[in-house]
Amino acid sequence: AQRVTQPEKLLSVFKGAPVELKCNYSYSGSPELFWYVQYSRQRLQLLLRHISRESIKGFTADLNKGETSFHLKKPFAQEEDSAMYYCALSDDSNYQLIWGAGTKLIIKP
Amino acid sequence: ETGVTQTPRHLVMGMTNKKSLKCEQHLGHNAMYWYKQSAKKPLELMFVYSLEERVENNSVPSRFSPECPNSSHLFLHLHTLQPEDSALYLCASSQELSPKGFTGELFFGEGSRLTVL
Repeated sequence: AQRVTQPEKLLSVFKGAPVELKCNYSYSGSPELFWYVQYSRQRLQLLLRHISRESIKGFTADLNKGETSFHLKKPFAQEEDSAMYYCALSDDSNYQLIWGAGTKLIIKP
Repeated sequence: ETGVTQTPRHLVMGMTNKKSLKCEQHLGHNAMYWYKQSAKKPLELMFVYSLEERVENNSVPSRFSPECPNSSHLFLHLHTLQPEDSALYLCASSQELSPKGFTGELFFGEGSRLTVL
């Protein structure tokens, strides 16, 4: 079954420390993976997609097909990174997103 | 106004009431979605419309009734809800629902916070 797993409900790190938000997936096809972010009192929005291979706000994510993972990383966390982060997988059979449960990231000063 | 707009932002209703949530998108997109966001659970897709036709209904109870009169507007009609239906209801849109056009990027509204007493 297609599934996205974010094993950490909550992740708390100090400002300046590295951050890694974990995402694992189960999908039989060729996956497209995304990270969405929801800052406090703001709408859910796309952060980055693996196909773009870009860095957004200092975050990067590499698709590892061998480990079926798409972890989100940032070398030095900033307080404004505190938010809910959702990993999602595109189901190319019906063009919808399969969502993880989300990880709440708290950056401590 | 640009983006995806949802009204009302907050709604409190009794179990016997009938109310509606409204969503409007100003992005020229052809697909619109209703999601339910409950605490500590993944986003639950409820309904998907493409070019005003419903293409997905994920076993949602009939007390939720969607309506898509045109590609810019989406409604969710609510009646005889249960307390467990209390949640944040998110509307989203995307450019297309096709192999050529689906980029995986959804544009979300700010949500309608529903409380059922």
